[in-house]
This record gives sequence, structure tokens and C-alpha cells, in this order.
Amino acid sequence: GAGVSQSPSNKVTEKGKDVELRCDPISGHTALYWYRQSLGQGLEFLIYFQGNSAPDKSGLPSDRFSAERTGGSVSTLTIQRTQQEDSAVYLCASSQAGTSGLTPGDTQYFGPGTRLTVL
Amino acid sequence: KQEVTQIPAALSVPEGENLVLNCSFTDSAIYNLQWFRQDPGKGLTSLLLIQSSQREQTSGRLNASLDKSSGRSTLYIAASQPGDSATYLCAVSPQATDGLTFGKGTHLIIQP
Repeated sequence: GAGVSQSPSNKVTEKGKDVELRCDPISGHTALYWYRQSLGQGLEFLIYFQGNSAPDKSGLPSDRFSAERTGGSVSTLTIQRTQQEDSAVYLCASSQAGTSGLTPGDTQYFGPGTRLTVL
Repeated sequence: KQEVTQIPAALSVPEGENLVLNCSFTDSAIYNLQWFRQDPGKGLTSLLLIQSSQREQTSGRLNASLDKSSGRSTLYIAASQPGDSATYLCAVSPQATDGLTFGKGTHLIIQP
């Protein structure tokens, strides 16, 4: 079946503009995760959704970052007033965690990412 | 705060060798540990997941072990091939639905 998809694959924007990144998880996966991978840095967890709810938003870097998920499927990560330090690859993952509770239900499957460049 | 460390940061070996990648984590209260590979410019591919109650998992030429009490995991790759060249990432999760904490990875090159 289809894996996790993300769009756009690349986004170049000017400092101060808002951007929206989209993630389409694997069908039936109730858990969805956003991560960020900056140049030379490791992967940083941002936020996760269980269904449409995000129990923990503490990983978001600032209040310019927000995320939503509708219909238990597609999620969007919005960055307002982008800064150059927001330049990174934004990765989305999904899993069945929280539904079956069975292995390998916890395995996170990642999309190809969106490369964001803020000029 | 959980910290994950991977050693070595980079490794280059001739084709055919067996090799071990190391991962350590500071907080032993984990739910599971995952090993991923990342190819240049691409997303992550899950290799193995070990639940906290398990000691090891195997998939083909890959074997991952977990010693939760000492905060260590190893990924063993048998009979390495050039196609194994990638960055290997170790990640832990405190709960089933929590986000993962990643190490910085081991950049592996298998020389033909």
C-alpha cells in the first residue's frame, strides 16, 4: 500500500512569510508525528497526534509553529513569520500506536520529508 | 531529559565484513527502541523495533540487541554489502505513542 506522503518536497520562502507543510499518513494509522532535521543536527521531535488531538505540544520550537489534523488523517504544520533558523527538513511519520497496542503497531513509518529553505 | 549517543559517528569497512554499531541512552525508562537507516536526501526506513521487554530482534542480516538496564543497544550487520551504505539512526520512546528521541547517527560506508 501507499506509504506516508508529504508535500511539497521542497519549499523556498522569504523570511517573514508563512508556510504550510502537509502530511498524508498511511491509511488507518491513528498516530501521526512531526520531526525536524536541521543541517548538522539530529532529528528533533516536534509534536504528535492521536486521532485529531495533540496531547503534547511542548516540542514545538516557538509559538510561530502550529499543527492540526482533521478527520484523523491529513495533518498540516504551519510556520508563521518564517526565520532563517527554521530552514530544515521536516519529516512526518505515522503508526498504529494507541490502536492495537500490538507489535509492530508501534513502528513509526516516515515520509520523504519537506526541505524548507528560508532566504 | 533523555539523551541518545551513537558510536562511532562514522565507519568505513570493506565489503563482506561483519560490523557492530553502538547506541546508548541515559534514561532506561523506555518503551521501545528502533533502528532506522537514512539514505541521502531521503526519509527514514525502519529496520528493527525492540520492545523494552525484549532482548533482541533479527531481520535478515541484521540483529539488534537491547540491554535496557545498562542503557545500551547494538546493531549487528553480517556480511556487509555496498548497498548497506547509509546513516544508521537509533531512537527511543518513553511511551507507545510518544515521539522518538534520536541519536545523531552512524554514517556507514561499505567499500566495494
